[in-house]
Amino acid sequence: GAVVSQHPSRVICKSGTSVKIECRSLDFQATTMFWYRQFPKQSLMLMATSNEGSKATYEQGVEKDKFLINHASLTLSTLTVTSAHPEDSSFYICSARGSMPNVNEQFFGPGTRLTVL
Amino acid sequence: GQSLEQPSEVTAVEGAIVQINCTYQTSGFYGLSWYQQHDGGAPTFLSYNGLDGLEETGRFSSFLSRSDSYGYLLLQELQMKDSASYFCAVSGYNFNKFYFGSGTKLNVKP
Repeated sequence: GAVVSQHPSRVICKSGTSVKIECRSLDFQATTMFWYRQFPKQSLMLMATSNEGSKATYEQGVEKDKFLINHASLTLSTLTVTSAHPEDSSFYICSARGSMPNVNEQFFGPGTRLTVL
Repeated sequence: GQSLEQPSEVTAVEGAIVQINCTYQTSGFYGLSWYQQHDGGAPTFLSYNGLDGLEETGRFSSFLSRSDSYGYLLLQELQMKDSASYFCAVSGYNFNKFYFGSGTKLNVKP
């Protein structure tokens, strides 16, 4: 099956710093990737849809200037949490949408646990 | 907006059959998917229904009724390793968005 990696798996940073999370599709080209946020024992909340070569589409309530998304190639999307604060601490998961005909399927990365002190 | 409802927790014994229901309210509905997530892990795809009816994949089956905005995941011959959280998710227009339900924690007991 398709493999998606995410790096780093865990990061601890001080309040006010920026953190970049990378999401890579290892064995297929992903024109569309998604970024989610998940709080403990809760659902995955869609933050944004990232399309290769174009601007990301953010969900209502998600600050685009705070959560910068770049999808510069068919195998890499990055999420940068700018000026992170303790309330940004969460589990961030990316996924890549499958290629035709499996566009209904998502392949998830292992997630990144962000802790902001 | 989107709204998906699932039971929060279900408990069953090994070897049994369990059904996890999902009701949804959404615009631009394309289909209903199911994902499994073990504690601390990434969600993995289980099943997808684009049309009404039953889809079977091994021990797992999924059902969709568009007219009732309702679907379910059926797990048969439960095994201990099936203990996990199960999420239903609706696909938005052209599969450019996916919205997840609140998740159902399945506890399988010996």
